Amino acid sequence: DTAVSQTPKYLVTQMGNDKSIKCEQNLGHDTMYWYKQDSKKFLKIMFSYNNKELIINETVPNRFSPKSPDKAHLNLHINSLELGDSAVYFCASSQDLWAAGYTFGSGTRLTVV
Amino acid sequence: KNQVEQSPQSLIILEGKNCTLQCNYTVSPFSNLRWYKQDTGRGPVSLTIMTFSENTKSNGRYTATLDADTKQSSLHITASQLSDSASYICVVSYGGSQGNLIFGKGTKLSVKP
Repeated sequence: DTAVSQTPKYLVTQMGNDKSIKCEQNLGHDTMYWYKQDSKKFLKIMFSYNNKELIINETVPNRFSPKSPDKAHLNLHINSLELGDSAVYFCASSQDLWAAGYTFGSGTRLTVV
Repeated sequence: KNQVEQSPQSLIILEGKNCTLQCNYTVSPFSNLRWYKQDTGRGPVSLTIMTFSENTKSNGRYTATLDADTKQSSLHITASQLSDSASYICVVSYGGSQGNLIFGKGTKLSVKP
C-alpha cells in the first residue's frame, strides 16, 4: 500500500536507448512531480503535472517527456539516453501546487553505460 | 538569486548525542520551509513544515526552528539513534502560486555506536 510507487527501482541501459520510468500515487493528490538527484545528492525539479496539465517544465532536454494518462500516474520517458542521464530519479506528489507536504517515491537509479 | 545553503555538509556524532543542522536561504517571496530525511537509496520523507509565522516545531526527537528575519532555519536532533543516519534536506518554497521549490544539497549525518 505504498503511497507513491516507482518502477523499476534500478535500470541499467546502454547509450542511445529509449526507456520509461513509471510512477503511481494512491493518495488522491492532484499534482505529481519528477525530480533528478545527481551524484552530489542535489535534487532538481524536472516536471510538475497538475490535473494532467504540465505546470512547471524546467529547462531539461526535450529527450525527457512526462506522460500522464490520469492524475494518479506520471511516467517519465527518456529518448536517446546519454551518460549524463545517469542519476536517481524521484517521483513525488502533493495535494496541489500550494501544498506544504510532498510525498516522494523511493527513487529509480538509472545507469547509462 | 534564490538559494538554499546547508551546513555542515557532513557530520559524524556518537549515538545518544544531540546535533544541530543549519539551513540558510535567500528566497523571496518566502512561502514555507521543509526539512526532509532521506535514507540511503530511499526517497525523502517529510519531517516538518514551517510557515512564515512559525518559530519552532517539533516532531518527536526532531525540533525545527525558523527565523524569518535572518532567513535561517535549524534542525535539532535530540538523543540521536543509529537510525538517524541519513541525509537531511532543507527545502524552501517560494512564489506562493506555482509550487516553486529550492532544494538544499543536504547534510549527511552519520551516527556511530
